[in-house]
Order: sequence, then C-alpha cells, then structure tokens
Amino acid sequence: GNSVTQMEGPVTLSEEAFLTINCTYTATGYPSLFWYVQYPGEGLQLLLKATKADDKGSNKGFEATYRKETTSFHLEKGSVQVSDSAVYFCALRSGGNKLVFGAGTILRVKS
Amino acid sequence: DAGVIQSPRHEVTEMGQEVTLRCKPISGHDYLFWYRQTMMRGLELLIYFNNNVPIDDSGMPEDRFSAKMPNASFSTLKIQPSEPRDSAVYFCASSLGRQGAVNTEAFFGQGTRLTVV
Repeated sequence: GNSVTQMEGPVTLSEEAFLTINCTYTATGYPSLFWYVQYPGEGLQLLLKATKADDKGSNKGFEATYRKETTSFHLEKGSVQVSDSAVYFCALRSGGNKLVFGAGTILRVKS
Repeated sequence: DAGVIQSPRHEVTEMGQEVTLRCKPISGHDYLFWYRQTMMRGLELLIYFNNNVPIDDSGMPEDRFSAKMPNASFSTLKIQPSEPRDSAVYFCASSLGRQGAVNTEAFFGQGTRLTVV
C-alpha cells in the first residue's frame, strides 16, 4: 500500500539555520504530495503541496520539490525562526483519495 | 466558513464507558477522515467516508470502534467500551471530492483529546 517515510526527530536548530526534513514515499499511480504543520495544541494545517512531478510547492519561506525519480518531497527553509517550532508531517494522496501521513518530525528552533 | 468543528475538545471518561466524538465537516466537502494521534503510533487513519459512505475502515483498531456519517454535515466516532489504551487525540478532517480531488488538501479540526482512566 501507499506509505510515507520521514526523517526522525527531533530536529534542533539555531535561529537562522538552514532546514531540511527528508520525506520519501511509496505509491501507485501519480499521487499528490503535501506538507502539513502542527503547532502545539492545534490541528494540522496545510503548509504546501505539489500535484505532479517537478512541481515546487512553497509557502512562508518553506519549499519542497516533487521528485518522481527519487520518490522524494524534502522540505527546506533557508532561515528558520523560533516561531517555526512545530511538528511537520509529509503526506500523500492518490487514487482512492486516501490521505496517508508520515510519522511527523518535531522541529525545535532555539534563539 | 468556520472550518471543521469537533466536539468535545476534551473528554475524560472511565474505562468501560461509551464515548462519542463528533465532527461537522466544511460545507460542500464530501470526503471525511477520522485520524488518531498518539506519541507511540503517530497519526493513524481510522476510517474515511465519501458522500457519507464508508470507503475504507481498515484502520479501525477493533470492533469497539465504530463510525457513522448519517448526513453530509455530521459524523460520529464511537468507542464502546472504552479502554485506557484508547487515550489519544482524535482528529476529523474533510476535503473536496469532485474530479481532481486527489489534488486537494484536507482541512483538519482542532481535535478531541480523549483520556480514559
């Protein structure tokens, strides 16, 4: 079945550091890929998405490129802030419309 | 739109009691998902509906769990009898289901934090 694998956390960075959170997937067909963010005590919010190969999703300084050849959708940000501290989830949706999430990666940014 | 609305936000109950979690999806959305989040297992898809019909309930952990969607604006997740290991945050999410739905994101509610003592 379809699945998503994310790098384990927590990831701890200093403010203004470069962020990469790895995400790879296994899916049949042509899935859409998503990154969601969850702040403490809240539900998940969509951060960005890409719906076909080579698409780049971007939002709030975060970006991720849909790489079909490596089945990856790594999340990057050039300069993180303390306010970016949260849990980040990679997800995919494919035929059948099932939305499958990775395990989540905790990001901690210290000032 | 107010977004996906879940109730209650917090529920504390004793082992053996019946628990009912409620969800109101965003108007016009015809996919509804129920997830459970725990530290040990992360975010698990329990069941999802399309046009009020259950499509995949393979994630429902046991027969103690049941979910219904009697109409397009309401869904329930019931646990009977509840056990301490059911303690988790339960999320409901909804999304569009028209052509191209695979491209559309799901919108999440704030979750219900369930504690079974």
